[in-house]
Amino acid sequence: EADIYQTPRYLVIGTGKKITLECSQTMGHDKMYWYQQDPGMELHLIHYSYGVNSTEKGDLSSESTVSRIRTEHFPLTLESARPSHTSQYLCASSEWGKADTQYFGPGTRLTVL
Amino acid sequence: QKEVEQDPGPLSVPEGAIVSLNCTYSNSAFQYFMWYRQYSRKGPELLMYTYSSGNKEDGRFTAQVDKSSKYISLFIRDSQPSDSATYLCAMSKADKLIFGTGTRLQVFP
Repeated sequence: EADIYQTPRYLVIGTGKKITLECSQTMGHDKMYWYQQDPGMELHLIHYSYGVNSTEKGDLSSESTVSRIRTEHFPLTLESARPSHTSQYLCASSEWGKADTQYFGPGTRLTVL
Repeated sequence: QKEVEQDPGPLSVPEGAIVSLNCTYSNSAFQYFMWYRQYSRKGPELLMYTYSSGNKEDGRFTAQVDKSSKYISLFIRDSQPSDSATYLCAMSKADKLIFGTGTRLQVFP
């Protein structure tokens, strides 16, 4: 079983608040990813990282930002949450050269009122 | 047009049935083909992985890829209520995964 963790699992917050979604993995994977998933829709890649100090934007434009200061940690931040940010956010990781076998965390369900 | 098309279902079958889940794709550049299973309120977990045309079997699950038709399938034999989940196909291109919308499967006793 993959060791990738996300906190919080559920978050309900008011408009304008700053939030950080945490993601950590204990597998030593270099690559990490953030996806956004809405009901009945595909997973959309919003950010990814090849390693420490590497961050890239994904295919779906997002107002969130990410950082990768440590290999095991890949937090996602929204400076000012809006109702349009309501979604499920999934973090994943993979070994270098094995981007097709990604291990996912349980997800954070974010609701912005 | 989406690069990956997947019927969202829902698909409801009795226990013991053979289930067939399918995806079509339009991009010949896809190299690897995966099936993920996602239970409610959980993240997706990798179920099957293949990179060539043909069949790959793992227990009750068989993944089939037909690159000439750009079509992949997942067969579940002797389906169980515990198989009730959303099944997502995924394909890799340039170090990224492209997902289908997922098919929701319900296996009733």
